[in-house]
Order: sequence, then C-alpha cells, then structure tokens
Amino acid sequence: DQQVKQNSPSLSVQEGRISILNCDYTNSMFDYFLWYKKYPAEGPTFLISISSIKDKNEDGRFTVFLNKSAKHLSLHIVPSQPGDSAVYFCAARANAGGTSYGKLTFGQGTILTVHP
Amino acid sequence: DAGVIQSPRHEVTEMGQEVTLRCKPISGHNSLFWYRQTMMRGLELLIYFNNNVPIDDSGMPEDRFSAKMPNASFSTLKIQPSEPRDSAVYFCASSLGRGFSYEQYFGPGTRLTVT
Repeated sequence: DQQVKQNSPSLSVQEGRISILNCDYTNSMFDYFLWYKKYPAEGPTFLISISSIKDKNEDGRFTVFLNKSAKHLSLHIVPSQPGDSAVYFCAARANAGGTSYGKLTFGQGTILTVHP
Repeated sequence: DAGVIQSPRHEVTEMGQEVTLRCKPISGHNSLFWYRQTMMRGLELLIYFNNNVPIDDSGMPEDRFSAKMPNASFSTLKIQPSEPRDSAVYFCASSLGRGFSYEQYFGPGTRLTVT
C-alpha cells in the first residue's frame, strides 16, 4: 500500500513560470515532510522540509505548503529555471517516538522539465 | 569529504547469478540505509543499520536479499540468486545519529540489470 503518492509522473513548465509538484499521504502518524531532488546518475539530495505544526515553509525560490486536513502537500518553485529539471521525491516521516523510529516513506517521484 | 561511495555504478548480470553491491558511508555517520528505486514504487527502504547493527530489515523483499555491515565504513547488499524483477537502482544513504534524521546523504546509486 502506497502511503505517499505523487500522482503526476511528469510535469513540463516554461522557464520563469511556477512549477507546482503535488504529494498526497494516507498515514496520519506522519509528522515531518521532506522534498528531495534527484539529477540523472546522482543520488537524491535534500531540498526543503516542513513540520506538521506549520502549513508553509519557504526557502528562496522553493516553498512547501502542507494541508493536514487534506493530507496533501505541494512544492512550489518560482520562478522555474532549466537547472530545476530533475526528479522530485516527496517523503514523509512518522512520529519518532513510536516504534517506527522516524522511518522515511517516499513517493514515486515526479519528473520536472523546465523549458528555456 | 567524498560523500557516500557506491560500487559498482552499473551491474549487468544473468538471472540466477549472485550480485553484491557495496557502500562506504560518510565518515562519522553511524546510520546507514539501503533503498531501491523503481518506476512503479519510487524509493523503498530495504534495510536500516545503526552502529553497524541491523535495526529494521522489514523492507527486504525476500530471503534472496541479505545485507551486512561488518564495520562502520563498509556495507554490502547481496542478491542470490538474482532475478529480472530485481532490476532497479539501488541507493545507499548515511546520516548522523540514530533513526531518520532530517538529512540523509545518498550515494550515486548502482543500476542493476538482471537479464
């Protein structure tokens, strides 16, 4: 059962426009959410995160929004640049105090292509 | 620091053969993770070590898969016998502390193809 889902396998955006990547989750025990970025032939690298006590976190051109009632989070990239073209993984961590010790669960990934 | 090092980067083998993937974590990190990436399921955790001890291997698909961490600077993931459905990219990651800290540092991955 996929607890973290990224329903859009790919997204194509024009340079300068906004990119919005979406992620849905089902486990209400998740308390921390992360986005990772992956270039071809490289491992994923941490991009931005958000705690469940917040609904927004911003870092430069990247903003993550969390809607707990909808169990939905999104990553906004404004303005999009060709160098942002990569695979983006959403990940969620369960409460570290439980038996899951904070295990990360990843989505399937979304391929973002930013056209010049 | 060189980051997490994985070898080989690419492996092509025939069904039934034994495959061994290797990982050197970042020096000083005491947690190590093996993940598998497929198109259908994305990144899946296979096994997690802390201080060289396997803590959670519930993600290991079946008995054909085994992982070891004989010391703090080396881990292996072995598949014996390999099958075509094992074809995927296998990532090793390391982090400081116990459990899943916010930043796991991933290696470049090993692309495994089983024919």
